Amino acid sequence: DIQMTQSPSSMSASLGDTVTINCLASQDIGNYLSWYQQKPGKSPKLMIYGATNLEDGVPSRFSGSRSGSDYSLTINSLGYDDEGIYHCHQYYEYPLTFGSGTKLEIK
Amino acid sequence: EVQLVESGGVLVQPGRSMKLSCAASGFTFSSFPMAWVRQAPTKGLEWVATISTSGGSTYYRDSVKGRFTISRDNAKSTLYLQMDSLRSEDTATYYCTTDLGAYPYWGQGTLVTVSS
Repeated sequence: DIQMTQSPSSMSASLGDTVTINCLASQDIGNYLSWYQQKPGKSPKLMIYGATNLEDGVPSRFSGSRSGSDYSLTINSLGYDDEGIYHCHQYYEYPLTFGSGTKLEIK
Repeated sequence: EVQLVESGGVLVQPGRSMKLSCAASGFTFSSFPMAWVRQAPTKGLEWVATISTSGGSTYYRDSVKGRFTISRDNAKSTLYLQMDSLRSEDTATYYCTTDLGAYPYWGQGTLVTVSS
């Protein structure tokens, strides 16, 4: 199975900051990587697909990048609404797997 | 507007069975592969199963293979998950999603609790 090692597990940042969340794939997954934001008690929301493509309606402050097997989600100009848990997900091959999640708190 | 509405989640004893449903609307259900994703309390997301548009192809995670069956009724725009021989580790909120590789649409989830 492909392991997705997500870091950090939690982080705290201030309004206006830029933060980066990382996922390392245990093997090649090409660009078959998506990112989700989840707020307490809510369903996940797709933010990025294909490693770098912004889902419709998602603010351009969010961006995705790839360097080899390292995938990153960057959020610029943090706002209170960005608080939540972020999950990465590989859909390159079955079984499909998720990272363990990153809890982002806005100070 | 795309809507996915899950139902069927309840408290069930270990070893028993239950069936989840997901009613879809706002899109051409028969044109989309569909999936179930679950999330145990305070845990991360876990893919469970995927079904092709026709229902002819299905895929499962190893831990549910042989116990869970994903199916669909395109005439009713409904996705199902039959869960047999339930275990405590199946306790989770179960979400149905449209499976385009990534998951753009999600239901609100239904909680399945397996406990004696």
